[in-house]
Amino acid sequence: GEDVEQSLFLSVREGDSSVINCTYTDSSSTYLYWYKQEPGAGLQLLTYIFSNMDMKQDQRLTVLLNKKDKHLSLRIADTQTGDSAIYFCAEFGSSNTGKLIFGQGTTLQVKP
Amino acid sequence: EAQVTQNPRYLITVTGKKLTVTCSQNMNHEYMSWYRQDPGLGLRQIYYSMNVEVTDKGDVPEGYKVSRKEKRNFPLILESPSPNQTSLYFCASRSGDGELFFGEGSRLTVL
Repeated sequence: GEDVEQSLFLSVREGDSSVINCTYTDSSSTYLYWYKQEPGAGLQLLTYIFSNMDMKQDQRLTVLLNKKDKHLSLRIADTQTGDSAIYFCAEFGSSNTGKLIFGQGTTLQVKP
Repeated sequence: EAQVTQNPRYLITVTGKKLTVTCSQNMNHEYMSWYRQDPGLGLRQIYYSMNVEVTDKGDVPEGYKVSRKEKRNFPLILESPSPNQTSLYFCASRSGDGELFFGEGSRLTVL
């Protein structure tokens, strides 16, 4: 079946850029999402990209989509300690199904 | 304010006592869905609804029921809860242009 994979942990220094990677298997994906979850909190939508786009930028966040390799990345510029959290990528399949599949989440640790 | 509202946010119950977790959205979205989040297993989809009176199973539907009688509400029903349904539950709704909003979560403990 469809699958979404992320590395489990990333550690960076404050002020550096962070890049969180995600791969997926469903070639008919329509939308791909990035969510942030802080301890004890819900899922905050950071950004999302439609599958016919290659890149989307929103302030410090840049999403890159390589549809050929089924690879999605989230770059956070000038990473701050407040960015420490778990980041989930999620993939929405073809438009006539409602299945949404999440990766396992990447824990981002930002060191001062 | 656009939002997805879940209730209750926290619940402790006992095995076999039927319960309903409500989910309501005020954005007129057609698509709604339910997920559970468990340590080590991540987020898994329970049920989804593409529109009123249209529901379908996700990856882990066993032990759950849903209904979609009107567009704004999508309740999750546990007819006979068991301890393995102790989890953090999230409801979501999606706009026509793909933006997917989540509720704040409902933490359920079944003793």
